[in-house]
Amino acid sequence: AQSVTQLGSHVSVSEGALVLLRCNYSSSVPPYLFWYVQYPNQGLQLLLKYTTGATLVKGINGFEAEFKKSETSFHLTKPSAHMSDAAEYFCAVSSGNTPLVFGKGTRLSVIA
Amino acid sequence: ETGVTQTPRHLVMGMTNKKSLKCEQHLGHNAMYWYKQSAKKPLELMFVYNFKEQTENNSVPSRFSPECPNSSHLFLHLHTLQPEDSALYLCASSQETPGQSYGYTFGSGTRLTVV
Repeated sequence: AQSVTQLGSHVSVSEGALVLLRCNYSSSVPPYLFWYVQYPNQGLQLLLKYTTGATLVKGINGFEAEFKKSETSFHLTKPSAHMSDAAEYFCAVSSGNTPLVFGKGTRLSVIA
Repeated sequence: ETGVTQTPRHLVMGMTNKKSLKCEQHLGHNAMYWYKQSAKKPLELMFVYNFKEQTENNSVPSRFSPECPNSSHLFLHLHTLQPEDSALYLCASSQETPGQSYGYTFGSGTRLTVV
């Protein structure tokens, strides 16, 4: 069975500062990994995904994530936070044969 | 229209009412999902339909009844709900290939309030 742990239910950064949202996964097979963003009263939007190949994955809105097998991590980063980045972020994992398993989410606040 | 469309966006219903949530995907995907998102709780997978066949039902109470008439449409029929069923109900679709995962496309959700 797979699982996802997102460290920190709430992260607060200043505008222009580095964004780092942490995600650790558990999977007995090579994982497929995803980051989603959710704005208030909206559905989830795919930010980026890791399937195979390059371990540094670039997504929309300047976000990127690095798959580190040895650390079972897939942390999400953005060099410079913008006010519009304030949202809920979800990490998810799949084996390819099972539905996505989501983490509990991390709420990102951006302070002016 | 593209993507995944959910209607209605907002729904208020009494505990004795019967209502239905609708989801439609225009992406040619072969799998569809219902998720429940409650405040301060993780996303809960409710139902999975793959090629119109229900492949997963995560111990959802019988007051929630899904229907998938074709690969583009998914319904969630509601009856005699409880106040704790108030939540954001999200529909998603994906193109499922054995051994592969490309991620899901979500609709904007239906905000359900049970009074």
